[in-house]
Amino acid sequence: EIVLTQSPGTLSLSPGERATLSCRASQSVSSSYLAWYQQKPGQAPRLLIYGASSRATGIPDRFSGSGSGTDFTLTISRLEPEDFAVYYCQQYGSSLTFGPGTKVDIK
Amino acid sequence: QLQLQESGPGLVKPSETLSLTCTVSGGSISSSSYYWGWIRQPPGKGLEWIGSIYYSGSTYYNPSLKSRVTISVDTSKNQFSLKLSSVTAADTAVYYCARLRPPGVVIRWGQGTLVTVSS
Repeated sequence: EIVLTQSPGTLSLSPGERATLSCRASQSVSSSYLAWYQQKPGQAPRLLIYGASSRATGIPDRFSGSGSGTDFTLTISRLEPEDFAVYYCQQYGSSLTFGPGTKVDIK
Repeated sequence: QLQLQESGPGLVKPSETLSLTCTVSGGSISSSSYYWGWIRQPPGKGLEWIGSIYYSGSTYYNPSLKSRVTISVDTSKNQFSLKLSSVTAADTAVYYCARLRPPGVVIRWGQGTLVTVSS
């Protein structure tokens, strides 16, 4: 099973700042089958990024994904008030597993 | 727009079987472009994939849950279902049904339903 580790656990930032979230896999993720999801309290997650770097429909371009192999990054270029949430990475190259999440909260 | 709605008991006794159904509206469950799955989230914790199914009936399960999980599909009702046997308090979670694009991107989620395991 591919285990995903996300860092940091919590990221405290102000609106307008840049957020950089990391996702590391215990073994290489084939074909960059890595996705990112955003979850707000009381809501289901929402797909942001798939294939490591492709934005899902309707996702603003301030969200970007990069990486390959075992190291992946989600970047939010300028945080908007609605971006404060928990972010999960997920690999789907070998079964499906999720990372433990990174909480982005207001500083 | 496609919607998914979970239904089933919100309370299940330990050792019994948890049963949930997901009703798909606004689209056909028989599409060959997608498959369907269940994902759960214990209160305050992260996400865990339970398993997935194609409309044809082919299933894929999380190895850690495989011995207790059965997922089935009813194309005539545009529904798919989850059964999880021998539940314990550790199975208390919000259960989401979802539509996935192969090989495994979750592109649509139901609103989720909380299932509590308690006597």
